[in-house]
Amino acid sequence: GENVEQHPSTLSVQEGDSAVIKCTYSDSASNYFPWYKQELGKRPQLIIDIRSNVGEKKDQRIAVTLNKTAKHFSLHITETQPEDSAVYFCAATNNAGNMLTFGGGTRLMVKP
Amino acid sequence: GAGVSQSPSNKVTEKGKDVELRCDPISGHTALYWYRQSLGQGLEFLIYFQGNSAPDKSGLPSDRFSAERTGGSVSTLTIQRTQQEDSAVYLCASSWKGGGETQYFGPGTRLLVL
Repeated sequence: GENVEQHPSTLSVQEGDSAVIKCTYSDSASNYFPWYKQELGKRPQLIIDIRSNVGEKKDQRIAVTLNKTAKHFSLHITETQPEDSAVYFCAATNNAGNMLTFGGGTRLMVKP
Repeated sequence: GAGVSQSPSNKVTEKGKDVELRCDPISGHTALYWYRQSLGQGLEFLIYFQGNSAPDKSGLPSDRFSAERTGGSVSTLTIQRTQQEDSAVYLCASSWKGGGETQYFGPGTRLLVL
């Protein structure tokens, strides 16, 4: 089945710097890649997603890139702010296309 | 509209007791998922319902865990003879349909087994 690896597990940046989180997946048939943000004690919430027919998608300070050949995708957060501090999860559809497999999560800490 | 809701929000039980956790998906969503999240850990898939199809139970950790979905809407996750290692947050999510669709999560049920 699908395997999703996420790195780094923790990331600490200074406010205003950029943060990059990377994920790799195993199933070349995967076609949907969402990113979720989970604040402490809260539910995971979708922040951005990308489908396999595009290579990049941007929404204000957040962008996601997808390299289908290499089977990896990345989350980029620019001009980080303390409220960006949270755990971020990447995910990819499984080979049957009926479920998401999640990465292990990245704890992002933005220091003011 | 209303999002995914779960009840109870917190549950404290004694080892050996049975518990039932409830999930109300977003109206019209045909796919429903249960996950378990231990403190500081990732999302562990438990079970998946899609429409009237047989559920995918491949993630259930033991036969003490079961789930059902009545009328294609509300779902109940049951844990029998709870153990301390069952303590975790149980998250439910729903999507318009399975596969490449956004999953919307509920607030979770925090289960503590003493």
